[in-house]
Amino acid sequence: GEDVEQSLFLSVREGDSSVINCTYTDSSSTYLYWYKQEPGAGLQLLTYIFSNMDMKQDQRLTVLLNKKDKHLSLRIADTQTGDSAIYFCAERQDMRFGAGTRLTVKP
Amino acid sequence: ETGVTQTPRHLVMGMTNKKSLKCEQHLGHNAMYWYKQSAKKPLELMFVYSLEERVENNSVPSRFSPECPNSSHLFLHLHTLQPEDSALYLCASSQEGSGFGYGYTFGSGTRLTVV
Repeated sequence: GEDVEQSLFLSVREGDSSVINCTYTDSSSTYLYWYKQEPGAGLQLLTYIFSNMDMKQDQRLTVLLNKKDKHLSLRIADTQTGDSAIYFCAERQDMRFGAGTRLTVKP
Repeated sequence: ETGVTQTPRHLVMGMTNKKSLKCEQHLGHNAMYWYKQSAKKPLELMFVYSLEERVENNSVPSRFSPECPNSSHLFLHLHTLQPEDSALYLCASSQEGSGFGYGYTFGSGTRLTVV
């Protein structure tokens, strides 16, 4: 089957930028998503990007899409302790999720 | 609140019990989903209902039985579960149709512990 892969952990200092990476295999995906899950909660949609775009910016969040390499990234500028959570990427075709990247922000 | 409400938030049940998880969405979406999230595996899609008809079940054991009486409500009936079924069960909804890309809206989940 098609896969969505992410690294499992990322640790940054408060105020730094965080970059979470994701690779996917289904080239027919029309939309790709980033979700955030805080402890004890469900997944919250953060942002999405259409497959004919290569970048989308929304306040502190920047999504980059390299469709040729099937690589998606989420950059969080000025990372805060409240950004500590698990971040999932997902692709639309089958709504497959990656395993999630646990972001830890240190003061 | 996200517009998708799950009850109960926590559930402890014995292996011989029968219980049900409930999900309700107030977003006017036409598709609903059950996902299982455990420590050992990524999010696993269990069931998909689109326009109240089940379209996918991904070979889930028969001890899990979904029910979708209408487009706003989704249930997951549980019986004779195993300890390895302990997990966070997430409900989601979406509006399916060509060109719609807003993803899924998730509930907060039910934390199930099987003892």
